[in-house]
Amino acid sequence: GENVEQHPSTLSVQEGDSAVIKCTYSDSASNYFPWYKQELGKGPQLIIDIRSNVGEKKDQRIAVTLNKTAKHFSLHITETQPEDSAVYFCARMDSSYKLIFGSGTRLLVRP
Amino acid sequence: EPEVTQTPSHQVTQMGQEVILRCVPISNHLYFYWYRQILGQKVEFLVSFYNNEISEKSEIFDDQFSVERPDGSNFTLKIRSTKLEDSAMYFCASSAPLQLEQFFGPGTRLTVL
Repeated sequence: GENVEQHPSTLSVQEGDSAVIKCTYSDSASNYFPWYKQELGKGPQLIIDIRSNVGEKKDQRIAVTLNKTAKHFSLHITETQPEDSAVYFCARMDSSYKLIFGSGTRLLVRP
Repeated sequence: EPEVTQTPSHQVTQMGQEVILRCVPISNHLYFYWYRQILGQKVEFLVSFYNNEISEKSEIFDDQFSVERPDGSNFTLKIRSTKLEDSAMYFCASSAPLQLEQFFGPGTRLTVL
């Protein structure tokens, strides 16, 4: 179908630990997968994205991996900090360039 | 750094009233979108707009909704006769030519009483 499945819905980690959020999709035509961070009362902020011609992309403490064969992609945050606490949304872009979002993961980083 | 702006930040209206939500996309962007997020739920696509016409719209975007780019900077979403279930955060987004990244504004919280 069209949906993107995202897990877990909530994630609590100790400061300094890593956090991993996973998303799966079924439309094999998808080629662009962004991740957004949403802080309370704010709009989604693009933090990293990946295109289907690569398997991994890294930006400082954030990385995204994509397995196009298995149709899943993951966000990895290392050395988590309290300011990483937010809701994270994965998304895929469909053939008409609209974004289809996952249901979100509420990440809590405990000091 | 350029960003998408939206006004108002919060709009309260009575059921059946018309509302207009306003957005100023990033200046060199040519593709514009509206999404909405019902409290606690995921972000949902409403409509995309390019070259002064709708490119695609979702099932949510019925005859009560319309979009317009009245001048070179603003992009508006109008709901003609609001319903209780229209209460949500409405986000405008824009993207540059030949780029896939969509940048979101801070949103307008619409409350329909």
